[in-house]
Amino acid sequence: KAGVTQTPRYLIKTRGQQVTLSCSPISGHRSVSWYQQTPGQGLQFLFEYFSETQRNKGNFPGRFSGRQFSNSRSEMNVSTLELGDSALYLCASSPRLAGGPGYEQYFGPGTRLTVT
Amino acid sequence: AQTVTQSQPEMSVQEAETVTLSCTYDTSESDYYLFWYKQPPSRQMILVIRQEAYKQQNATENRFSVNFQKAAKSFSLKISDSQLGDAAMYFCAYRGYGGSQGNLIFGKGTKLSVKP
Repeated sequence: KAGVTQTPRYLIKTRGQQVTLSCSPISGHRSVSWYQQTPGQGLQFLFEYFSETQRNKGNFPGRFSGRQFSNSRSEMNVSTLELGDSALYLCASSPRLAGGPGYEQYFGPGTRLTVT
Repeated sequence: AQTVTQSQPEMSVQEAETVTLSCTYDTSESDYYLFWYKQPPSRQMILVIRQEAYKQQNATENRFSVNFQKAAKSFSLKISDSQLGDAAMYFCAYRGYGGSQGNLIFGKGTKLSVKP
């Protein structure tokens, strides 16, 4: 079974621009979560989607948004980029929402975003 | 709010020997999941092992095992017969049971070096 894939792998943008990152979950997985990883803040949760609905949201400004499509693929968008948005953005998928036995999240390789 | 603490920023082990990485967490919940993830220089986050709080038996996966002490809120990872490929950042993570309880909460990580 193919793993979680993310595109693009690397991206360089200029402050003020917007960016869209894509994530394709493992086949059959319906939940997609997004995380931001920076050296200073570590790994922080952005949002989780399940069946095209946002289920959970982390503490990030409204410039960060996402969506999920009927095939479970997800995109996240960052508008009006700031230098501090430079980070590794990780996507993770799981078969279902948390609760009950056997819950796991599997991560993609990440998208490295650099804002100049 | 739940927190995860990894008190060892860096650890070192000789190849073929055993090393233990520490993790403590804080929660008022009785049901939850705990995970150890490995992040090698490639940045791909790999699930190493998971533990469900209601299970008293410690999880094991080949050379990896955990010591789960629920009352002490401790979740350490033991790596036996360490190999060069085990060198990576290791993250301890907590996930509440309910679908509305946010998502994975990570510790700051422990950088493990393996000496030949």
